[in-house]
Amino acid sequence: NAGVTQTPKFRVLKTGQSMTLLCAQDMNHEYMYWYRQDPGMGLRLIHYSVGEGTTAKGEVPDGYNVSRLKKQNFLLGLESAAPSQTSVYFCASTSRLGGDTQYFGPGTRLTVL
Amino acid sequence: GQNIDQPTEMTATEGAIVQINCTYQTSGFNGLFWYQQHAGEAPTFLSYNVLDGLEEKGRFSSFLSRSKGYSYLLLKELQMKDSASYLCAVRSTGGFKTIFGAGTRLFVKA
Repeated sequence: NAGVTQTPKFRVLKTGQSMTLLCAQDMNHEYMYWYRQDPGMGLRLIHYSVGEGTTAKGEVPDGYNVSRLKKQNFLLGLESAAPSQTSVYFCASTSRLGGDTQYFGPGTRLTVL
Repeated sequence: GQNIDQPTEMTATEGAIVQINCTYQTSGFNGLFWYQQHAGEAPTFLSYNVLDGLEEKGRFSSFLSRSKGYSYLLLKELQMKDSASYLCAVRSTGGFKTIFGAGTRLFVKA
């Protein structure tokens, strides 16, 4: 049971380049989330999904797109990277709306030059 | 608006007790979480409160007062490995979104 995995772990992009971050979970969780974490600002929700084929915007969605074609995978895309998107990105999943915690992936450290 | 406040940093001595406070103002409430995050790692779950009162789990306890918009995390018998950031997070009604505080960085000294 791998839990939540993220690829890649590190990436350096130039301004204007595009990339996709992959999140996979093997816990059969319905809900999945993408966060970014910046120093002094805590975790901020980018996009989330409540089931296969559905996505919704979080607090800071601009500049990002997501897709949830399979229940176990949640992809985060940057179409044209900007230096302001330099951050650590965490994916999380949870099984239901009650007391279940969110399980986090190990994070992706992205630098945009 | 939605806001979660917690102290930026705290320092405590090994073997002591430390209390980390969290106050929140959110549009709706459906539970409060505490997470621990070591430097360079992912957050991991510590506790969950949805009703008023104290939840105890080993060396860690968490308290909630919904009327005051207030919670605290109590760590007893501090160990060096407890040096980490502690994140307070509130789940909104509807359950889809969780708002995180900026975290409290705890330093445990010998």
